[in-house]
Amino acid sequence: DIVMTQTPLSLSVTPGQPASISCKSSQSLLQSDGETYLFWYLQKPGQPPQPLIYKVSKQFSGVPDRFSGSGSGTDFTLKISRVEAEDVGVYYCMQSVQLPYTFGQGTKLEIK
Amino acid sequence: QVQLQQWGAGLLKPSETLSLTCAVYSGSFSGYYWSWIRQPPGKGLEWIGEINHSGSTNYNPSLKSRVTISIDTSKNQFSLKLSSVSAADTAVYYCVRYGGLPVWYFDLWGRGTLVTVSS
Repeated sequence: DIVMTQTPLSLSVTPGQPASISCKSSQSLLQSDGETYLFWYLQKPGQPPQPLIYKVSKQFSGVPDRFSGSGSGTDFTLKISRVEAEDVGVYYCMQSVQLPYTFGQGTKLEIK
Repeated sequence: QVQLQQWGAGLLKPSETLSLTCAVYSGSFSGYYWSWIRQPPGKGLEWIGEINHSGSTNYNPSLKSRVTISIDTSKNQFSLKLSSVSAADTAVYYCVRYGGLPVWYFDLWGRGTLVTVSS
């Protein structure tokens, strides 16, 4: 299985300040088609996860521009340029390059 | 608007079989993979397995010996059975659609069912 490791596991951020979450995979997530299948999801309290980013850096429709993804191979980062109160929740990275699909442990974001 | 509605027993005793069903309303059943994902209380997400409309399945090796996912295309439903449950199987179980554009991803989630295993 591909192990996904996120850091930090928790984050407390003042509104308007940036935030960054790292995700490292135990194997490269580069697929033979040249794409890298790394996703970011946000699980708000009491809700199922919702998709934010696909293929490392592409935003799903409706995701605010303050969310951005970067990285390659085995190292990836999710950045929030200016945290807002509605961004609280747990952020998960996920890989779909190989079965079983696996998620990171999650990073809990709270507002100071 | 496509919706997933799931149901099943919420309290089980050790060694019993977990059984959940998910119905797909107002949408196509074919052309997707239908998955189950679970989340122990306060913990992360674990993919259990998936099935497509033809009945082709993939399972997480960590659960494969105990898991069966089946499909009933006449009712637009798919089901999860997990045998010989223990306290470690206590979790919220989500039924999830895998598909969509612009890339295959978990794009539609059920509300989740909390399954507690306790003697």
